[in-house]
Amino acid sequence: EVQVVESGGGLVQPGGSLRLSCEVSGFTFSDYWMSWVRQIPGKGLEWVANIKPDGIERGYADSVKDRFTISRDNAKNSLYLQIKSLRAEDTAVYHCARGGGPAAIFDPWGQGTLVIVSS
Amino acid sequence: QSALTQPRSVSGSPGQSVTISCTGTSSDVGIYNYVSWYQHHPGKAPKLMIYDVNKRPSGVPDRFSGSKSGNTASLTISGLQAEDEADYYCCSYAGIYTRIFGGGTKLTVL
Repeated sequence: EVQVVESGGGLVQPGGSLRLSCEVSGFTFSDYWMSWVRQIPGKGLEWVANIKPDGIERGYADSVKDRFTISRDNAKNSLYLQIKSLRAEDTAVYHCARGGGPAAIFDPWGQGTLVIVSS
Repeated sequence: QSALTQPRSVSGSPGQSVTISCTGTSSDVGIYNYVSWYQHHPGKAPKLMIYDVNKRPSGVPDRFSGSKSGNTASLTISGLQAEDEADYYCCSYAGIYTRIFGGGTKLTVL
Protein backbone atom coordinates (compact mmCIF):
# COMPACT_ATOMS: atom_id res chain seq x y z
CA GLU A 1 0.00 0.00 0.00
CA VAL A 2 1.30 3.42 -0.95
CA GLN A 3 1.61 5.67 2.08
CA VAL A 4 2.66 9.27 2.58
CA VAL A 5 3.03 10.60 6.13
CA GLU A 6 4.00 14.15 7.08
CA SER A 7 5.47 15.38 10.33
CA GLY A 8 7.20 18.39 11.81
CA GLY A 9 4.43 20.95 12.01
CA GLY A 10 3.79 23.07 15.06
CA LEU A 11 3.52 26.55 16.50
CA VAL A 12 6.28 28.93 15.49
CA GLN A 13 6.79 32.65 15.94
CA PRO A 14 6.84 35.05 13.01
CA GLY A 15 10.31 35.11 11.49
CA GLY A 16 11.02 31.61 12.76
CA SER A 17 11.95 28.43 10.94
CA LEU A 18 10.67 24.88 10.72
CA ARG A 19 11.52 21.70 8.87
CA LEU A 20 8.72 19.50 7.64
CA SER A 21 9.31 15.85 6.78
CA CYS A 22 7.43 13.34 4.68
CA GLU A 23 8.12 9.61 4.85
CA VAL A 24 6.78 7.39 2.09
CA SER A 25 6.41 3.67 1.58
CA GLY A 26 4.88 1.27 -0.89
CA PHE A 27 6.54 2.61 -4.05
CA THR A 28 9.98 3.33 -5.50
CA PHE A 29 10.48 6.85 -4.15
CA SER A 30 13.44 7.63 -6.39
CA ASP A 31 11.29 7.20 -9.52
CA TYR A 32 8.84 10.00 -8.74
CA TRP A 33 8.50 13.75 -8.60
CA MET A 34 7.33 14.84 -5.16
CA SER A 35 5.52 17.97 -4.04
CA TRP A 36 4.29 20.04 -1.14
CA VAL A 37 0.83 21.58 -1.31
CA ARG A 38 -0.70 23.68 1.46
CA GLN A 39 -4.20 24.63 2.50
CA ILE A 40 -4.55 27.92 4.30
CA PRO A 41 -7.45 27.84 6.81
CA GLY A 42 -10.71 28.74 5.14
CA LYS A 43 -9.05 28.86 1.73
CA GLY A 44 -8.17 26.48 -1.04
CA LEU A 45 -5.17 24.41 -1.98
CA GLU A 46 -1.97 26.14 -3.03
CA TRP A 47 0.92 24.39 -4.74
CA VAL A 48 4.11 25.22 -2.82
CA ALA A 49 7.04 23.35 -4.35
CA ASN A 50 8.08 20.30 -6.32
CA ILE A 51 11.26 18.36 -6.90
CA LYS A 52 12.41 16.02 -9.63
CA PRO A 53 13.30 12.37 -8.86
CA ASP A 54 17.02 13.11 -8.87
CA GLY A 55 16.58 15.94 -6.39
CA ILE A 56 18.54 18.37 -8.50
CA GLU A 57 15.83 20.48 -10.10
CA ARG A 58 13.08 22.09 -8.06
CA GLY A 59 10.28 24.57 -8.48
CA TYR A 60 8.59 27.00 -6.09
CA ALA A 61 5.49 29.13 -5.96
CA ASP A 62 6.25 32.84 -6.08
CA SER A 63 4.77 33.26 -2.59
CA VAL A 64 7.44 31.06 -1.00
CA LYS A 65 10.42 31.46 -3.29
CA ASP A 66 13.64 32.35 -1.44
CA ARG A 67 12.11 31.34 1.93
CA PHE A 68 11.25 27.66 1.41
CA THR A 69 13.59 24.88 0.31
CA ILE A 70 12.37 21.50 -0.86
CA SER A 71 14.76 18.55 -0.71
CA ARG A 72 14.73 14.79 -0.67
CA ASP A 73 16.78 11.84 0.49
CA ASN A 74 16.12 8.94 -1.83
CA ALA A 75 18.04 6.55 0.45
CA LYS A 76 15.64 7.35 3.28
CA ASN A 77 12.44 7.56 1.19
CA SER A 78 11.94 11.01 2.61
CA LEU A 79 10.93 14.46 1.39
CA TYR A 80 11.60 17.67 3.29
CA LEU A 81 10.49 21.28 3.32
CA GLN A 82 12.71 23.76 5.11
CA ILE A 83 10.75 26.90 5.79
CA LYS A 84 12.22 30.12 7.16
CA SER A 85 11.24 33.75 7.69
CA LEU A 86 7.76 32.48 8.49
CA ARG A 87 4.83 34.87 8.20
CA ALA A 88 1.31 34.68 9.60
CA GLU A 89 0.05 33.99 6.09
CA ASP A 90 2.11 30.78 5.99
CA THR A 91 -0.23 29.28 8.59
CA ALA A 92 -1.64 26.22 6.84
CA VAL A 93 -1.89 22.48 6.66
CA TYR A 94 1.05 21.31 4.58
CA HIS A 95 0.43 18.19 2.50
CA CYS A 96 3.08 16.01 0.94
CA ALA A 97 2.05 14.36 -2.33
CA ARG A 98 3.58 11.95 -4.77
CA GLY A 99 3.80 13.54 -8.20
CA GLY A 100 3.29 17.10 -9.26
CA GLY A 101 5.47 16.53 -12.30
CA PRO A 102 4.64 17.62 -15.83
CA ALA A 103 1.18 16.06 -15.85
CA ALA A 104 0.25 17.87 -12.61
CA ILE A 105 -0.95 14.62 -11.03
CA PHE A 106 -0.77 14.48 -7.24
CA ASP A 107 -1.50 10.96 -5.98
CA PRO A 108 -1.60 10.00 -3.22
CA TRP A 109 -1.56 12.76 -0.63
CA GLY A 110 -0.80 12.67 3.04
CA GLN A 111 -3.23 14.02 5.60
CA GLY A 112 -0.95 16.95 6.24
CA THR A 113 0.87 18.62 9.10
CA LEU A 114 -0.36 21.89 10.61
CA VAL A 115 1.94 24.89 10.81
CA ILE A 116 0.75 27.82 12.91
CA VAL A 117 2.69 31.06 12.75
CA SER A 118 1.80 33.24 15.69
CA SER A 119 3.38 35.20 18.49
CA GLN B 1 0.50 32.67 -10.62
CA SER B 2 -3.20 33.44 -10.16
CA ALA B 3 -5.48 30.65 -9.00
CA LEU B 4 -7.77 29.02 -11.52
CA THR B 5 -11.36 30.23 -11.17
CA GLN B 6 -13.98 27.88 -9.78
CA PRO B 7 -17.49 28.60 -8.48
CA ARG B 8 -17.46 28.79 -4.70
CA SER B 9 -20.34 26.36 -4.38
CA VAL B 10 -22.67 24.07 -6.30
CA SER B 11 -25.48 21.86 -5.13
CA GLY B 12 -27.71 19.09 -6.35
CA SER B 13 -30.12 16.47 -5.14
CA PRO B 14 -29.30 12.77 -4.96
CA GLY B 15 -29.41 11.22 -8.41
CA GLN B 16 -28.95 14.53 -10.22
CA SER B 17 -25.89 15.73 -12.12
CA VAL B 18 -23.71 18.72 -11.35
CA THR B 19 -20.88 20.33 -13.27
CA ILE B 20 -18.01 22.27 -11.74
CA SER B 21 -16.09 24.63 -14.00
CA CYS B 22 -12.44 25.59 -13.78
CA THR B 23 -11.35 28.59 -15.82
CA GLY B 24 -7.74 29.39 -16.52
CA THR B 25 -5.90 31.14 -19.31
CA SER B 26 -4.20 30.38 -22.60
CA SER B 27 -1.00 29.87 -20.57
CA ASP B 28 -2.30 26.96 -18.51
CA VAL B 29 -5.66 25.20 -18.98
CA GLY B 30 -6.03 26.44 -22.53
CA ILE B 31 -2.74 25.13 -23.84
CA TYR B 32 -2.05 21.95 -21.88
CA ASN B 33 -4.11 18.80 -21.50
CA TYR B 34 -2.77 18.39 -17.97
CA VAL B 35 -5.78 19.19 -15.83
CA SER B 36 -6.52 17.11 -12.75
CA TRP B 37 -9.34 17.16 -10.21
CA TYR B 38 -9.28 16.38 -6.50
CA GLN B 39 -11.95 15.56 -3.96
CA HIS B 40 -11.27 16.79 -0.45
CA HIS B 41 -13.26 15.87 2.61
CA PRO B 42 -12.12 18.25 5.37
CA GLY B 43 -9.59 16.69 7.69
CA LYS B 44 -8.70 13.97 5.20
CA ALA B 45 -6.16 13.65 2.44
CA PRO B 46 -7.28 15.01 -0.94
CA LYS B 47 -8.04 12.29 -3.49
CA LEU B 48 -7.28 12.27 -7.22
CA MET B 49 -10.50 11.91 -9.21
CA ILE B 50 -9.56 12.89 -12.79
CA TYR B 51 -6.23 13.43 -14.56
CA ASP B 52 -5.16 14.45 -18.07
CA VAL B 53 -8.49 16.31 -18.42
CA ASN B 54 -10.70 13.24 -18.71
CA LYS B 55 -9.00 10.09 -17.40
CA ARG B 56 -10.17 8.29 -14.27
CA PRO B 57 -7.80 6.48 -11.92
CA SER B 58 -8.78 2.94 -11.06
CA GLY B 59 -11.31 2.86 -8.27
CA VAL B 60 -12.97 6.17 -9.13
CA PRO B 61 -16.61 5.61 -10.13
CA ASP B 62 -17.53 6.34 -13.74
CA ARG B 63 -20.06 8.85 -12.40
CA PHE B 64 -17.11 11.25 -12.40
CA SER B 65 -16.05 12.62 -15.76
CA GLY B 66 -13.89 15.47 -17.03
CA SER B 67 -13.76 17.62 -20.12
CA LYS B 68 -12.20 20.80 -21.47
CA SER B 69 -13.15 23.53 -23.91
CA GLY B 70 -10.79 26.40 -24.54
CA ASN B 71 -9.56 27.84 -21.27
CA THR B 72 -12.21 26.07 -19.17
CA ALA B 73 -12.12 22.56 -17.79
CA SER B 74 -15.12 20.89 -16.20
CA LEU B 75 -15.84 18.09 -13.77
CA THR B 76 -19.25 16.46 -14.04
CA ILE B 77 -20.65 14.21 -11.35
CA SER B 78 -23.72 12.26 -12.37
CA GLY B 79 -26.03 10.24 -10.16
CA LEU B 80 -25.12 12.34 -7.12
CA GLN B 81 -24.67 10.47 -3.88
CA ALA B 82 -24.47 11.76 -0.33
CA GLU B 83 -20.81 10.77 -0.06
CA ASP B 84 -19.95 13.04 -3.00
CA GLU B 85 -20.44 16.05 -0.72
CA ALA B 86 -16.95 17.52 -0.44
CA ASP B 87 -14.69 20.26 -1.73
CA TYR B 88 -13.40 19.85 -5.28
CA TYR B 89 -10.26 21.40 -6.72
CA CYS B 90 -8.88 21.55 -10.22
CA CYS B 91 -5.19 21.80 -10.99
CA SER B 92 -3.27 22.61 -14.15
CA TYR B 93 0.27 22.49 -15.43
CA ALA B 94 1.36 26.09 -15.98
CA GLY B 95 5.02 25.88 -16.84
CA ILE B 96 8.09 23.73 -16.39
CA TYR B 97 7.81 23.66 -12.60
CA THR B 98 4.62 25.64 -11.93
CA ARG B 99 1.32 24.04 -11.00
CA ILE B 100 -1.82 26.02 -10.27
CA PHE B 101 -4.88 25.01 -8.27
CA GLY B 102 -8.36 26.41 -8.47
CA GLY B 103 -9.91 28.15 -5.50
CA GLY B 104 -12.09 25.13 -4.75
CA THR B 105 -15.81 24.41 -5.02
CA LYS B 106 -17.96 23.17 -2.17
CA LEU B 107 -20.45 20.57 -3.38
CA THR B 108 -23.57 20.21 -1.29
CA VAL B 109 -25.85 17.22 -1.81
CA LEU B 110 -29.31 18.43 -0.82
